Amino acid sequence: GAGVSQSPRYKVTKRGQDVALRCDPISGHVSLYWYRQALGQGPEFLTYFNYEAQQDKSGLPNDRFSAERPEGSISTLTIQRTEQRDSAMYRCASSLNPNTDTQYFGPGTRLTVL
Amino acid sequence: AQKVTQAQTEISVVEKEDVTLDCVYETRDTTYYLFWYKQPPSGELVFLIRRNSFDEQNEISGRYSWNFQKSTSSFNFTITASQVVDSAVYFCALSLAGGTSYGKLTFGQGTILTVHP
Repeated sequence: GAGVSQSPRYKVTKRGQDVALRCDPISGHVSLYWYRQALGQGPEFLTYFNYEAQQDKSGLPNDRFSAERPEGSISTLTIQRTEQRDSAMYRCASSLNPNTDTQYFGPGTRLTVL
Repeated sequence: AQKVTQAQTEISVVEKEDVTLDCVYETRDTTYYLFWYKQPPSGELVFLIRRNSFDEQNEISGRYSWNFQKSTSSFNFTITASQVVDSAVYFCALSLAGGTSYGKLTFGQGTILTVHP
């Protein structure tokens, strides 16, 4: 079956613009996670959902970052008024069951803020 | 808070050598999961293995083996007879099975493995 997909794969934007990153999890997976990975680092947790409910957003850096998963499937991570420090790989993962199951990652969206 | 340390930033070996990637973790919880992921040059993150904290049995899968030792809080990964295709960044990660942090993966910094022909 299809894995986790993310779009766009690459996004170049100018400082101050808003961007929306999309994640389509594996069909039937309850939990969806967002991570951010800086160059040369491991991924860092941003937020996660069980079904449509956002369970934890403690990793979101500031209020310019938000995420939603309105129908419990596709999720969107939005960054408003982008800054150069937002440049990174944004990764989405999904797991079949909440909390204890293996997370499978999508290919990521490489965001570059000029 | 949880922490995962991969002290080896880069390792370089010649094909057919055995190589061990170290992973040390910190957590106060007694129930947790440990993972290894592979990030090949193409950039995706590929799941390799998951172990729970109650299962200290070592695991072998083909050329890959994992050694979990709770006494030293380590979860090391060995590749036997390495191949060029094993060249990648390898990440060790930990997640808790309860509490407010459960489900979130805490990753180490990664180890860059280069296998030369």
